[in-house]
Amino acid sequence: EPEVTQTPSHQVTQMGQEVILRCVPISNHLYFYWYRQILGQKVEFLVSFYNNEISEKSEIFDDQFSVERPDGSNFTLKIRSTKLEDSAMYFCASSALGGNEQFFGPGTRLTVL
Amino acid sequence: TQLLEQSPQFLSIQEGENLTVYCNSSSVFSSLQWYRQEPGEGPVLLVTVVTGGEVKKLKRLTFQFGDARKDSSLHITAAQPGDTGLYLCAGELGNFNKFYFGSGTKLNVKP
Repeated sequence: EPEVTQTPSHQVTQMGQEVILRCVPISNHLYFYWYRQILGQKVEFLVSFYNNEISEKSEIFDDQFSVERPDGSNFTLKIRSTKLEDSAMYFCASSALGGNEQFFGPGTRLTVL
Repeated sequence: TQLLEQSPQFLSIQEGENLTVYCNSSSVFSSLQWYRQEPGEGPVLLVTVVTGGEVKKLKRLTFQFGDARKDSSLHITAAQPGDTGLYLCAGELGNFNKFYFGSGTKLNVKP
């Protein structure tokens, strides 16, 4: 069964460093998403991406965040200068159609020291 | 401010009991999804409802979307220990590809 994959599973970084979180969505899907979940809190929408551009973004997705689909298979989230409060699980999701059925990856746990 | 309020936050019941989890909002959603999430893993989609008044059944799970598309419920019949987990609702506002999650209901089914 096709699934969304994410790498790495755990990323530890120093405050101020840049990180790139990688996702491989399901191959025939057209919509891609990033969410984050701070420990013990709810899942929060960051951004949606369609047709090689951002479709929607939340207030959390400020200038330190960017997304890219560098090739036909990867979808990345870059955090330019990490802060302590960026520590969270980051989930990638994809859907064939606009959002009705999103399939989530296993997540990347980001720890900022 | 929570756009989607889920209740109850925690629920501990005995195997065989029935339960209902609620997801409420003052906003109208174009679609609403229910997910289950295990610790340290991503949410797994259970169902999507899109039409007001829609009812969907998935074995012992019944999902309902309110007529006004502002609320939804998940009913589990004869709960089993395997149903233990975190249940999340998520709503899409308009058709803007932007989704809001509830805080979740943590269900524990004791054998």
